[in-house]
Amino acid sequence: DTAVSQTPKYLVTQMGNDKSIKCEQNLGHDTMYWYKQDSKKFLKIMFSYNNKELIINETVPNRFSPKSPDKAHLNLHINSLELGDSAVYFCASSRGTLTDTQYFGPGTRLTVL
Amino acid sequence: DAKTTQPTSMDCAEGRAANLPCNHSTISGNEYVYWYRQIHSQGPQYIIHGLKNNETNEMASLIITEDRKSSTLILPHATLRDTAVYYCIVRDYRGGSNYKLTFGKGTLLTVNP
Repeated sequence: DTAVSQTPKYLVTQMGNDKSIKCEQNLGHDTMYWYKQDSKKFLKIMFSYNNKELIINETVPNRFSPKSPDKAHLNLHINSLELGDSAVYFCASSRGTLTDTQYFGPGTRLTVL
Repeated sequence: DAKTTQPTSMDCAEGRAANLPCNHSTISGNEYVYWYRQIHSQGPQYIIHGLKNNETNEMASLIITEDRKSSTLILPHATLRDTAVYYCIVRDYRGGSNYKLTFGKGTLLTVNP
């Protein structure tokens, strides 16, 4: 059984479009995250939600809007896509926010043309 | 959060122990040492973590020096599937929900046949 799943795995789109990436976890965790890994392979946190409440919001453009309909889902919507948004986006979850380990999804490779 | 320093790359022969060092000389008393790895094109995977004592699990052992300024991840019998980028992360326990993992460049471990 997949613990943290993301859809789609690949996403190719034109500049200016709006797209969403979905994430689901079946681990019963309370906290979910979005990370971005750029072409230089640096992995940076973007957002974190705990029990559907936003708790971490790094310096991310307003074009990125996470939405958590329930504890098991954290979707990422991106408006007006730009070339620099091309990256691999990883979703993750953890039981809590303290010393709990994070479990990552397989990633979504977004390519903006 | 304290910064970490890791070698850029290391090689290891299949079946031998892989010892991956990490320096974290500015670590504070509340900070844990976490190790994750990322196999090519996959999401990061948790390996092990510790605070003061040495730790062992089914994947690896973590040796933390007495002054906690450095640590070593040991994969006792490396296999080809252990080829990955290994991240040493020092994570702050803040007693609240404002927590995040900060990934550095990591060490690319290549296990050779």
